[in-house]
Amino acid sequence: KQEVTQIPAALSVPEGENLVLNCSFTDSAIYNLQWFRQDPGKGLTSLLLIQSSQREQTSGRLNASLDKSSGRSTLYIAASQPGDSATYLCAVDNTDKLIFGTGTRLQVFP
Amino acid sequence: KAGVTQTPRYLIKTRGQQVTLSCSPISGHRSVSWYQQTPGQGLQFLFEYFSETQRNKGNFPGRFSGRQFSNSRSEMNVSTLELGDSALYLCASSTLGLNNEQFFGPGTRLTVL
Repeated sequence: KQEVTQIPAALSVPEGENLVLNCSFTDSAIYNLQWFRQDPGKGLTSLLLIQSSQREQTSGRLNASLDKSSGRSTLYIAASQPGDSATYLCAVDNTDKLIFGTGTRLQVFP
Repeated sequence: KAGVTQTPRYLIKTRGQQVTLSCSPISGHRSVSWYQQTPGQGLQFLFEYFSETQRNKGNFPGRFSGRQFSNSRSEMNVSTLELGDSALYLCASSTLGLNNEQFFGPGTRLTVL
């Protein structure tokens, strides 16, 4: 049974810091891994999708890496801003459904 | 291109009632998935529909059901509501294929009293 874990559960940093959010999964037979952002009470916004054959994806200040063999992914946020404050979720797709981690709640203060 | 839309956005029901939630996928997306989000259990997969057929189902009781129409719009129904059904219900659509990126709607907040 696929299990997804995210560390840390919460993070509070000053504006401008570079951040690394971690995601680990137990079954490496995945189709892809997706990172989402969720603002309080809102739906999920897709940030990055990494296919199983890829090692990383970049979008603006975000970079996500995938190491399938070790069951790990990281989301790197460069030069964090208060607007980045949200919960970040990773999800793996290995049977045409997403299995989500519990998320990292990020607060960036000015 | 319009995103995934869900209606209604908020619902208040009492125990024992039933409820129907609606989801309209992104134009051209034929796969629709439903997820339940609660503080205690996080995000959990309910079911997925493609071309009007349920392809995958999560571990939820039979009170939770869904369907998909020929225009890819989907509905989910919860019968005999329980207090524990209070949650944010999220719908996601995708094109399937290798790059199966899921796009989520804003959700329907269901409160069961």
